[in-house]
Amino acid sequence: NAGVTQTPKFRILKIGQSMTLQCTQDMNHNYMYWYRQDPGMGLKLIYYSVGAGITDKGEVPNGYNVSRSTTEDFPLRLELAAPSQTSVYFCASSPIAGGPLETQYFGPGTRLLVL
Amino acid sequence: AQKVTQAQTEISVVEKEDVTLDCVYETRDTTYYLFWYKQPPSGELVFLIRRNSFDEQNEISGRYSWNFQKSTSSFNFTITASQVVDSAVYFCALVEGGADGLTFGKGTHLIIQP
Repeated sequence: NAGVTQTPKFRILKIGQSMTLQCTQDMNHNYMYWYRQDPGMGLKLIYYSVGAGITDKGEVPNGYNVSRSTTEDFPLRLELAAPSQTSVYFCASSPIAGGPLETQYFGPGTRLLVL
Repeated sequence: AQKVTQAQTEISVVEKEDVTLDCVYETRDTTYYLFWYKQPPSGELVFLIRRNSFDEQNEISGRYSWNFQKSTSSFNFTITASQVVDSAVYFCALVEGGADGLTFGKGTHLIIQP
């Protein structure tokens, strides 16, 4: 059981470039989430999904897009990267029973630097 | 709106000392859950505890203990006989019944000196 995996671990982007952060979980969790962590701050919710084909915005969705075609995968797309998107991105998942009220299990994070 | 405050930005203690990390939360909901996560220097987030709003019993797990007091909206975390390996950033988080995801505090950076 690998849990939640994220790729890449680290990436440098130039302003205006695009990229996709990958997230996969093997726990058969229906709920998945993307958070960002800025230096010295807690995590903030970007997008979440309650199951395949269903996604919704969190607190800070601007500049990002998501899709959920399978239960296992929840990629995060950055279009036209900006320096303000420099952050550490965490993917998480939780079982369906209580959705967000359940324990969320986090991936190792992707560190993104936009220059 | 839900909010979590961790007023202690950084705490430094000498190994074997006891240390308490404070967490104060705000919510209008009667059903909510509180969490603590540990973020070691390696960067991952490690789940420590989940507690629902209807269970005010204190919990102990080895050297870790948690004190939940609804009267003061606090969910404090104590490490007894601290060890260097406890050095990390600790986050308190809250989720309300109808929320989409966790609301995190800004974290407390705990430094355990040998």
